Amino acid sequence: DTAVSQTPKYLVTQMGNDKSIKCEQNLGHDTMYWYKQDSKKFLKIMFSYNNKELIINETVPNRFSPKSPDKAHLNLHINSLELGDSAVYFCASSQVRDRVLGAFFGQGTRLTVV
Amino acid sequence: AQSVTQLDSHVSVSEGTPVLLRCNYSSSYSPSLFWYVQHPNKGLQLLLKYTSAATLVKGINGFEAEFKKSETSFHLTKPSAHMSDAAEYFCLLGFGNEKLTFGTGTRLTIIP
Repeated sequence: DTAVSQTPKYLVTQMGNDKSIKCEQNLGHDTMYWYKQDSKKFLKIMFSYNNKELIINETVPNRFSPKSPDKAHLNLHINSLELGDSAVYFCASSQVRDRVLGAFFGQGTRLTVV
Repeated sequence: AQSVTQLDSHVSVSEGTPVLLRCNYSSSYSPSLFWYVQHPNKGLQLLLKYTSAATLVKGINGFEAEFKKSETSFHLTKPSAHMSDAAEYFCLLGFGNEKLTFGTGTRLTIIP
């Protein structure tokens, strides 16, 4: 069983469209994240949710909206896609006690906006 | 605030020679530290992690890392490089419910 799964793996879409990327984890973790990897391979956090509550919201345009229907899911919805949104998006989950005990990543979604 | 620094953006070694990829961190509290590898057009694969147990951590594919609190370092090493080790390597710092912070990555090139 895949621990953190993202769908779709590839997404090609036109500018102006709205798209969603889904993420599910079956590890029972309480914290989930979205990261963006740009063309220079830098990995920047976008959002973090703990028990369905938004913890971190970095300087991400309002067009990006995360939704966490339950602890096992954190979806990313993007409105009015722009060329600059092209990147690889990684979902992750972790379990936290007094420290982060593990960090698991999905395989990534390569988004191409044309 | 926590931060992680990978000191080298690019490291080249000859096949069969040792590998050293450097990672330094800054954290007010006891951190968790991870090393991930990313092969071209692939996802992030966990190599090893430190979460407060043994300071010398052994990972997959012959890699290991040592947590040194006095030096705030978690350098990744391998005794003998293999061609298949060529990839991008990321150090990841985690603490509490806050963000997991990535270093900027080190590209490892193996010279035949």
